[in-house]
Amino acid sequence: AQSVSQHNHHVILSEAASLELGCNYSYGGTVNLFWYVQYPGQHLQLLLKYFSGDPLVKGIKGFEAEFIKSKFSFNLRKPSVQWSDTAEYFCAVAANYGGSQGNLIFGKGTKLSVKP
Amino acid sequence: DGGITQSPKYLFRKEGQNVTLSCEQNLNHDAMYWYRQDPGQGLRLIYYSQIVNDFQKGDIAEGYSVSREKKESFPLTVTSAQKNPTAFYLCASEMDTRGNQPQHFGDGTRLSIL
Repeated sequence: AQSVSQHNHHVILSEAASLELGCNYSYGGTVNLFWYVQYPGQHLQLLLKYFSGDPLVKGIKGFEAEFIKSKFSFNLRKPSVQWSDTAEYFCAVAANYGGSQGNLIFGKGTKLSVKP
Repeated sequence: DGGITQSPKYLFRKEGQNVTLSCEQNLNHDAMYWYRQDPGQGLRLIYYSQIVNDFQKGDIAEGYSVSREKKESFPLTVTSAQKNPTAFYLCASEMDTRGNQPQHFGDGTRLSIL
């Protein structure tokens, strides 16, 4: 069965610090990869996604993620966080059956708190 | 504006009562999903529907039921058989599952026990 692991439950950073949130998945086949963000009181929003091609993908608000197939990882990064990045971040994986997408499997989420 | 509307935002259930959570989308999406979000647990799939009049159980379907009579609507009923219903419920939709698509989410319904 597929599973997604997010290593950090809660990350606390000061503004301007660099961010890296880990995400590993277990599935031997082709995958589609996503990072979603949930700001306080708001719905889940797509931050970025990877389907194929360049393994370094750029998303909204200066976030990027790198797919490393050999490590089954899709870590999220941002060079300099802002207070407004305080949110919960979810990594999600879906099996890619030759272009047809399976159900999303979510990680447990990482809460990011940025101190002003 | 196109989007997903969940109602109500907050819902309270008495013991032994069934309650229904509404999810409506005007995105013309074929696929719709219900997730349950618990603190520290992430999102877990309850039910999903890839097309009208068809739906499938997800990972934690026990104690829940759904219907998909219209493309835009996918209500979730939390039955009295669900012994631990207190959670945040999220509805999502996706254009279809034949391509690579992200899911779009509603604002959620928070269900609590009285």
